[in-house]
Amino acid sequence: DGGITQSPKYLFRKEGQNVTLSCEQNLNHDAMYWYRQDPGQGLRLIYYSQIVNDFQKGDIAEGYSVSREKKESFPLTVTSAQKNPTAFYLCASGGQRNQPQHFGDGTRLSIL
Amino acid sequence: QKEVEQNSGPLSVPEGAIASLNCTYSDRVSQSFFWYRQYSGKSPELIMSIYSNGDKEDGRFTAQLNKASQYVSLLIRDSQPSDSATYLCAVKVGDYKLSFGAGTTVTVRA
Repeated sequence: DGGITQSPKYLFRKEGQNVTLSCEQNLNHDAMYWYRQDPGQGLRLIYYSQIVNDFQKGDIAEGYSVSREKKESFPLTVTSAQKNPTAFYLCASGGQRNQPQHFGDGTRLSIL
Repeated sequence: QKEVEQNSGPLSVPEGAIASLNCTYSDRVSQSFFWYRQYSGKSPELIMSIYSNGDKEDGRFTAQLNKASQYVSLLIRDSQPSDSATYLCAVKVGDYKLSFGAGTTVTVRA
């Protein structure tokens, strides 16, 4: 079944800890994205990658890092430098030319 | 000015009525526009794409685009309780990026 898989569904971070959110897609999309959503707000772009081994900062990249070693995978690390990490994190793929982006089910991150 | 602005809502409509959602955008060169539906606690799902001026219909949903006015709208006809959700307007900026509005929450009253 084609789609985008995010894991874990819920994640808790301790102070000073880095955590990594997983995103895998089998849609054969070149482009992948990470968004952050805070309650009652729209989506804000953290990082995106147009192709393997390349990625660009979005609007709110500070405190986050990514890698794109494989076409299928685009993990996001929330570092200890991100002081307000509590949010709903959404991974998407697609979006080349006129095509829409499609989303995974999301990871909800909270601070312990 | 925000790149994408939506009417703030919440919007409450009776079952069977038409829900009308509005979105304006600032980038005149944008060519691709999308409406996503997001149920509470869930991720957004695509319900409409529109690229040309005019109307595009898909079932009970109609998207309307006016590039001269930088305006895109979504009509939900014969609203059902299952349509209760937040609707996100998204506009493509450049080759890859999407800019999202804050969303309009719709409640359909039975």
